[in-house]
Amino acid sequence: DIQMTQSPSSVSASVGDRITIACRASQGIGTSLAWYQQKPRKAPKLLIYGASSLQSGVPSRFSGSGSGTDFTLTISSLQSEDVATYYCQQAKSFPFTFGGGTKVEI
Amino acid sequence: QFHLQESGPGLVKPSETLSLTCTVSGGSISSRNYYWAWIRQPPGKGLEWIGSLYHSGATYYSPSLKSRITMSADMSKNRFSLSLSAVTAADTAVYYCARHAGSGAGGMDVWGQGTTVTVSS
Repeated sequence: DIQMTQSPSSVSASVGDRITIACRASQGIGTSLAWYQQKPRKAPKLLIYGASSLQSGVPSRFSGSGSGTDFTLTISSLQSEDVATYYCQQAKSFPFTFGGGTKVEI
Repeated sequence: QFHLQESGPGLVKPSETLSLTCTVSGGSISSRNYYWAWIRQPPGKGLEWIGSLYHSGATYYSPSLKSRITMSADMSKNRFSLSLSAVTAADTAVYYCARHAGSGAGGMDVWGQGTTVTVSS
């Protein structure tokens, strides 16, 4: 199985800050990586697919980059509504696996 | 627009079988473009992929749950199901159904709202 490791596990920042979340795969997955946002008591929401493609309707302050084993999710200007837990997921092959999550607070 | 809705019992006794259904509206589960998945989230923990199903009947299961899982689809009712046998307290979680393209492609772009399952006597 491909293991996904996220860092940090939590981050506290101010409104307007730029934050970066890292995700590392235990083996190369090309660009088959997705990022999700999950707010409390809600289903996850797809933000980024294919490592860098923005899902329709997602604000442009979210961006993704990387390929192979190292990936990054960036929020260019943190907003209060971005408080959530963020997960990466490899979509290269079954079994799909998720990272452990990064909790973003203000 | 696709909409997914989970249904099933909220409480299951230990050693029994958990059965959940995901009803799809706004499109057909027979679509060649999509797979249909189950994901769960134990209280206060992260997301765990359980398995995925293709309209052809092909199934892909989590290795850690494979011996206890069965996924199936009912094309006539446009829904798919999950059975998880011999449940324990560790299976207590919010269970989500979701849609995704095939492996190597995009992420899970449509999710149900989730259903909470508690395993307790």
